[in-house]
Amino acid sequence: NAGVTQTPKFQVLKTGQSMTLQCAQDMNHEYMSWYRQDPGMGLRLIHYSVGAGITDQGEVPNGYNVSRSTTEDFPLRLLSAAPSQTSVYFCASSKTGPREGYTFGSGTRLTVV
Amino acid sequence: AQSVTQPDIHITVSEGASLELRCNYSYGATPYLFWYVQSPGQGLQLLLKYFSGDTLVQGIKGFEAEFKRSQSSFNLRKPSVHWSDAAEYFCAVGPRAAGNKLTFGGGTRVLVKP
Repeated sequence: NAGVTQTPKFQVLKTGQSMTLQCAQDMNHEYMSWYRQDPGMGLRLIHYSVGAGITDQGEVPNGYNVSRSTTEDFPLRLLSAAPSQTSVYFCASSKTGPREGYTFGSGTRLTVV
Repeated sequence: AQSVTQPDIHITVSEGASLELRCNYSYGATPYLFWYVQSPGQGLQLLLKYFSGDTLVQGIKGFEAEFKRSQSSFNLRKPSVHWSDAAEYFCAVGPRAAGNKLTFGGGTRVLVKP
């Protein structure tokens, strides 16, 4: 099993550009989440999904969109990149929710210049 | 609103010495509690979790954590640290009700001296 796969691993964007961070899991997990990690702030929840077709906002959703058309994929879209979105982004998935614990991807390091 | 505090940003410990990482939480009711570890350049890996029952829980890699309701704490311990334990450690809490939200602390970076 590949687990949770995130692409790309690194990305540099110019302010105002858009892009999609990809996340795919092959474990048939219903729950998927996107977090951003910034120094000293731990991980903050951006958006999450409890199943195909169902998404909801987390703690810091502004500037990001998500969709969940399949169980396997949960892409994160940056609509118009800003320097404040420079961060490391993690995708995580779980079969039954937080109590099971999450499986994390290896992250995407995004720099917006 | 729920919050998780890890008071120590950095801890340096000698190899073979004991390690304790502190975690305090603020939550409406007793949440689910977790410790995750992040090695450099990697994603997070679950070390252990607490739901109910015995307040001392065992995890992977020789780690354990103790839940103290009266102190709203969930401290992580390891009796003898190995060089490979150098990493960043995150405490997290999650709701007992249905949902998908974990709240993470700011993390504690552990450095291991030879």
